[in-house]
Amino acid sequence: QVQLVESGGGLVKPGGSLRLSCAASGFTFSDYYMSWIRQAPGKGLEWISYISSSGDTIYYADSVKGRFTISRDNTKNSLYLQMNSLRAEDTAVYYCARDLSVVVPVGFMDVWGRGTTVTVSS
Amino acid sequence: DIQMTQSPSSVSASVGDRVTITCRASQGIRSWLAWYQQKPGKAPKLLMYAVSSLQSGVPSRFSGSGSGTDFTLTISGLQPEDFATYYCQQANSFPSTFGQGTKLEIK
Repeated sequence: QVQLVESGGGLVKPGGSLRLSCAASGFTFSDYYMSWIRQAPGKGLEWISYISSSGDTIYYADSVKGRFTISRDNTKNSLYLQMNSLRAEDTAVYYCARDLSVVVPVGFMDVWGRGTTVTVSS
Repeated sequence: DIQMTQSPSSVSASVGDRVTITCRASQGIRSWLAWYQQKPGKAPKLLMYAVSSLQSGVPSRFSGSGSGTDFTLTISGLQPEDFATYYCQQANSFPSTFGQGTKLEIK
């Protein structure tokens, strides 16, 4: 079945780095735009990054621009988020999600992973 | 960035009730609006997109309306499984932004 599974979360000190992965299955990964969205404890949803199906178009939220890097490997059906210079405010559950449309991206997300938790604390 | 403001922040209702949640955008977003449902400890689930299009598998008691800056999600005939937090999202322009959420609780 269509599935996204995140991994790579954990406890990291402020200023540290972490790389999240998202493994896709059950659909043609290379056809879809993908996003990372996060949710701080007890808070709402925050979209943080977006990558086109080929990887040549990327957007970031200002809150992570210059510190986080999104990438994908279509041969491995995988999405990544390299997170550097982590701050306490980056503590959150990080979800990867698939764009609803395969032809033209619409920005709505129809498939989500279960999330991976990142905690930034000394 | 476009700000999305939901109201109310929380609402109590009973099984069988009709509930309406409102989402207001700080500027026009045409029809680039979606609604998500999230239960504790779970990922969000897409309910509606493009204002009023029902995502596959979502019960028809969910409906959406609006245009421009003001939108609503209506649940007609609440079921026990509907008690959750609901978020609106705009996809008109980057960065995509979400409302702060509306928690639907059992009365």
